[in-house]
Amino acid sequence: RKEVEQDPGPFNVPEGATVAFNCTYSNSASQSFFWYRQDCRKEPKLLMSVYSSGNEDGRFTAQLNRASQYISLLIRDSKLSDSATYLCVVNAANKLIFGTGTLLAVQP
Amino acid sequence: NAGVTQTPKFQVLKTGQSMTLQCAQDMNHNSMYWYRQDPGMGLRLIYYSASEGTTDKGEVPNGYNVSRLNKREFSLRLESAAPSQTSVYFCASRPRDTAYEQYFGPGTRLTVT
Repeated sequence: RKEVEQDPGPFNVPEGATVAFNCTYSNSASQSFFWYRQDCRKEPKLLMSVYSSGNEDGRFTAQLNRASQYISLLIRDSKLSDSATYLCVVNAANKLIFGTGTLLAVQP
Repeated sequence: NAGVTQTPKFQVLKTGQSMTLQCAQDMNHNSMYWYRQDPGMGLRLIYYSASEGTTDKGEVPNGYNVSRLNKREFSLRLESAAPSQTSVYFCASRPRDTAYEQYFGPGTRLTVT
């Protein structure tokens, strides 16, 4: 089993749609969780940290379910500029473990 | 602030050649990392340095060496390049011991023929 698993997609959605990504992790001792965004042929960039209580940043909402060991990212009112690969990242033993990413394509 | 910078951006090597990938950060971060990214796989940690003067192996260290030259610079060396080392290499740094997010450089695209 992979340490961090994501649906690779692609998720093809129209502009304005709401889309949700899920991610599961295997190490129950993990303490920190993140979503990164990676544009084609670019470096990963931190989108948001994920807190136990859930957190929101504009159109983006992240949730953590420790009991089920999954993390989610919700994007509301999708924009063309949201098209990218979204990486689920988990901290374990002071190292980051990256999922393979979920590709989002927002269509006009 | 330039953040994390990497050179070169692109490189083509022949099998058996050697080269050094350079990484520097101007954010006064203690920890620095080298990853490789291959299609269909998540970023995999090659080596990391928790502080100046220390380095440790990550998940895939074979075929690589590193040097933490000072607090700013962390280089990755391929002594004898192999086609399996064709990849995109990212350097990253971490702001402080109590925070785990990392910030990445723009990457080096390496092809070994």
